Amino acid sequence: KNQVEQSPQSLIILEGKNCTLQCNYTVSPFSNLRWYKQDTGRGPVSLTIMTFSENTKSNGRYTATLDADTKQSSLHITASQLSDSASYICVVSDNNQGGKLIFGQGTELSVKP
Amino acid sequence: DVKVTQSSRYLVKRTGEKVFLECVQDMDHENMFWYRQDPGLGLRLIYFSYDVKMKEKGDIPEGYSVSREKKERFSLILESASTNQTSMYLCASSLIQSGFITDTQYFGPGTRLTVL
Repeated sequence: KNQVEQSPQSLIILEGKNCTLQCNYTVSPFSNLRWYKQDTGRGPVSLTIMTFSENTKSNGRYTATLDADTKQSSLHITASQLSDSASYICVVSDNNQGGKLIFGQGTELSVKP
Repeated sequence: DVKVTQSSRYLVKRTGEKVFLECVQDMDHENMFWYRQDPGLGLRLIYFSYDVKMKEKGDIPEGYSVSREKKERFSLILESASTNQTSMYLCASSLIQSGFITDTQYFGPGTRLTVL
């Protein structure tokens, strides 16, 4: 079983709508949790990073939340744009392995006009 | 801005060929990584290096080797390519120097390798 599970696997929304992507992890203890955005044919780019003591972090229209008790994180996208179409990857840093990054499989988001 | 470049965006090779994938970063980062990305599996770490001439195995090193002769360059080598090595290969670099690092990793654009 993957230590970082993301849902849904894929999502289609209309331009201008909001959406929320989920990340559940079993990695413990962890030092930080990141959300990356990966455009088609490109490498992942970091959107947000939160330590275990942070609950929320924003980057423009992207807001990440973290509940360390339930081991859940979410990425909320507000007023979606066509350029938000991408894969969103949740990444947890594993303290038991010297901070090794554990990647989720990603959620493929498609924003339609 | 950090820039990580990879030598090829697309590559097609035949089974048994030796394949070199090159990665260069321009931010004087100590750590460099090679991942492969497959649908449904996410990114998996092949090898990483935290210093020149240093290398450490990741989760799936079998069938691969690496070389880091200069700080800015990290090469991935497939000694004898096989069809199950068809994948997207991503290189990354980061700043903090310690075993597995926790600093933000900056990724290159990826090389899509097809082995026929």
